[in-house]
Amino acid sequence: SQTIHQWPATLVQPVGSPLSLECTVEGTSNPNLYWYRQAAGRGLQLLFYSVGIGQISSEVPQNLSASRPQDRQFILSSKKLLLSDSGFYLCACGHLNSNQPQHFGDGTRLSIL
Amino acid sequence: AQSVTQPDIHITVSEGASLELRCNYSYGATPYLFWYVQSPGQGLQLLLKYFSGDTLVQGIKGFEAEFKRSQSSFNLRKPSVHWSDAAEYFCAVVNSGGYQKVTFGTGTKLQVIP
Repeated sequence: SQTIHQWPATLVQPVGSPLSLECTVEGTSNPNLYWYRQAAGRGLQLLFYSVGIGQISSEVPQNLSASRPQDRQFILSSKKLLLSDSGFYLCACGHLNSNQPQHFGDGTRLSIL
Repeated sequence: AQSVTQPDIHITVSEGASLELRCNYSYGATPYLFWYVQSPGQGLQLLLKYFSGDTLVQGIKGFEAEFKRSQSSFNLRKPSVHWSDAAEYFCAVVNSGGYQKVTFGTGTKLQVIP
């Protein structure tokens, strides 16, 4: 079965600093990968998805970027964090043309000071 | 475009009481529907899923959900709530093809009182 690893679990960063959150997947190959942000009381917002190495699609304009350097690695980055980037970031794994549910990592809590 | 509405932001129930969390969806074709649960500071865990067939689906932890096409609903139920069920619950709908776009509701936070 699939396992999704996210790190770090918690991160406190000052405004204007860079960001790198990592997600790796085990137990599957060629997955679709997703980054979601969860802000208090606002549910899950899809930020990026990737159907393959080097293929990134952005759902909403923002201060963040994503990269997929390997099949089972998905990275969320920023050059300069904003206060509004605070939130709980979740990585998820699914498959193309599949109705199977996505599986989620345990998330990263990002606080911007 | 697909959408999911969870009209109750916060629900409080007594331990041992029954529970129903509401979910309404909007989707042009037969939807694939899910319920997830999220404990504080954790990721999302799948409770149950509906693709087709029997409209009453059973999930983990004693939960069930009923798909009602006429009402565009997929409500989650549990006959007797335990204190450990306190968490946030998300309903989601997924499209039937492509990159698997999942749309989540805004969640319902469940509080269980002794």
